Amino acid sequence: DQQVKQNSPSLSVQEGRISILNCDYTNSMFDYFLWYKKYPAEGPTFLISISSIKDKNEDGRFTVFLNKSAKHLSLHIVPSQPGDSAVYFCAAANSGYALNFGKGTSLLVTP
Amino acid sequence: NAGVTQTPKFQVLKTGQSMTLQCAQDMNHNSMYWYRQDPGMGLRLIYYSASEGTTDKGEVPNGYNVSRLNKREFSLRLESAAPSQTSVYFCASSEMASGDSYEQYFGPGTRLTVT
Repeated sequence: DQQVKQNSPSLSVQEGRISILNCDYTNSMFDYFLWYKKYPAEGPTFLISISSIKDKNEDGRFTVFLNKSAKHLSLHIVPSQPGDSAVYFCAAANSGYALNFGKGTSLLVTP
Repeated sequence: NAGVTQTPKFQVLKTGQSMTLQCAQDMNHNSMYWYRQDPGMGLRLIYYSASEGTTDKGEVPNGYNVSRLNKREFSLRLESAAPSQTSVYFCASSEMASGDSYEQYFGPGTRLTVT
């Protein structure tokens, strides 16, 4: 049973606009949430994380929002750039060890 | 710093053959992990090692064994490869989560095909 779900397989956004990637989870014991970016034939690259005691974390163009009551998190990328085109994975950890991954959302940023 | 390195990058095996995937990290992390990724899927945990000298099963451990050789190295062995083990294998490492953040770093992957 998948505990982390990314329900949008793909997203297309124009360059300069905001990209919003969504993620839902079912396990209330998760205490850390991470976002990764992945290019074909490469390993996942860590982007940003948030702990369950916070509701927002920012790093440059990337902001993650956590809504614990809804068991929902989102990644905002502002402004979107063509180089952001990749597959984005949401992941969650219980007690900060192994990660449970969603299936990914493929983001395409068009000029 | 090389981060997390994996060898080999590609491998083709026949059913029943064995092989070992190697992983090393130079970030002095205590914890190491093996995941597999199949087409259209997220990564799934095979085994992990929370610290040197310990290993534990993940979500999909059947058909695999692991060895935490030292703090830097964590290997994954397929004793008798099956076509269902055709996948991309990723090694990762991390420190324990603390405070506001948790980061886990991945290697470039090994693409394994079993015919």
